Amino acid sequence: GAVVSQHPSRVICKSGTSVKIECRSLDFQATTMFWYRQFPKQSLMLMATSNEGSKATYEQGVEKDKFLINHASLTLSTLTVTSAHPEDSSFYICSARDWGKGAEAFFGQGTRLTVV
Amino acid sequence: LAKTTQPISMDSYEGQEVNITCSHNNIATNDYITWYQQFPSQGPRFIIQGYKTKVTNEVASLFIPADRKSSTLSLPRVSLSDTAVYYCLVGDTGNAGNMLTFGGGTRLMVKP
Repeated sequence: GAVVSQHPSRVICKSGTSVKIECRSLDFQATTMFWYRQFPKQSLMLMATSNEGSKATYEQGVEKDKFLINHASLTLSTLTVTSAHPEDSSFYICSARDWGKGAEAFFGQGTRLTVV
Repeated sequence: LAKTTQPISMDSYEGQEVNITCSHNNIATNDYITWYQQFPSQGPRFIIQGYKTKVTNEVASLFIPADRKSSTLSLPRVSLSDTAVYYCLVGDTGNAGNMLTFGGGTRLMVKP
């Protein structure tokens, strides 16, 4: 099946620094990718929809200047957490769907971000 | 987007059949029902999808009554490795640009 790869799987950063997370669709093209955040023992919360070649669409309550999304190609979307704070520590997951297989969404393995 | 309601948690024993029911009273005509499995610190994994009646694959079955206001995921003969969170999602999957909205999920604990 289709594969979505996230990198890094874990990252620890200091408060005030920025962290970039990459999401790649390895064997299909994804015009749309989705970014989720998941806190411990909670469900996935959609943060934003990343559209190739255009601006991302953010969910209500998600700061677009803090969570910068770039979808520069059909196989890569990046999420940059700017000026990270400890409360940004979370599990970030990306997802993409293959147009040829519209039913199934493929998820990356997730990125555990810890801000110290 | 149709809201889903699932039990928060379920316990089972190895070798038993587990049925997890999801309510989705506001399901729309174009909506499909999809179930995902998530292990700790991993992204969700697709299990099964259906529109109506019954769907079966190598890992699970999905039962959907005629009114489609609920669905039941059936896991035959569970093992310890089936301990995970199971999410029921409802949405129009015909468009790959449509987002997936996750509800609370059901935390399944399989005991020896």
